[in-house]
Amino acid sequence: AQSVTQLDSQVPVFEEAPVELRCNYSSSVSVYLFWYVQYPNQGLQLLLKYLSGSTLVESINGFEAEFNKSQTSFHLRKPSVHISDTAEYFCAVSPLRTGNQFYFGTGTSLTVIP
Amino acid sequence: KAGVTQTPRYLIKTRGQQVTLSCSPISGHRSVSWYQQTPGQGLQFLFEYFSETQRNKGNFPGRFSGRQFSNSRSEMNVSTLELGDSALYLCASSPGPTGYNEQFFGPGTRLTVL
Repeated sequence: AQSVTQLDSQVPVFEEAPVELRCNYSSSVSVYLFWYVQYPNQGLQLLLKYLSGSTLVESINGFEAEFNKSQTSFHLRKPSVHISDTAEYFCAVSPLRTGNQFYFGTGTSLTVIP
Repeated sequence: KAGVTQTPRYLIKTRGQQVTLSCSPISGHRSVSWYQQTPGQGLQFLFEYFSETQRNKGNFPGRFSGRQFSNSRSEMNVSTLELGDSALYLCASSPGPTGYNEQFFGPGTRLTVL
């Protein structure tokens, strides 16, 4: 069975400060790892993903996440946030070779304060 | 390419009624997944269809059912509605059969059960 835990339901942070959104997962099989973002009144969009290879993955808007197999974590970081980063962030896993079945965390609401 | 479309966008029903939601995937995508999104629970997987076959099913009662047509369009049906079924129902399509491929989400159907 798989499960995803996002340890912080709400994270307020000042503009231009760094932020880390935490994600831990539990799985009996190997998984792909994802971060999705949901901006206010919009649908979910893929932010970044880890499939294989380098454990550090980056998005086009400055976010990065590092896959840590020993700690079963996939934390999301950004060195300097902007107002436009205010959104709900979801961590998700998908077991290899079991189809498009994704397990999502409960989400972290990031609020950037001017 | 047009994105994933879901109809209707909003629905209000009363307890005991049944409802059908529709999802049109991105052209060429053969996988369609359905999720229920509620505050505090995040996204919970309902089921996934690939080439008209249900491949995976989440932990929901039998009142929740779905199907996929030969053109990859999918419908989800909920019978005997309960107050707890009030949620945002999201559809996602993917070009391939596994989580290696990105899931593209529609805007959702907001179902309110009175």
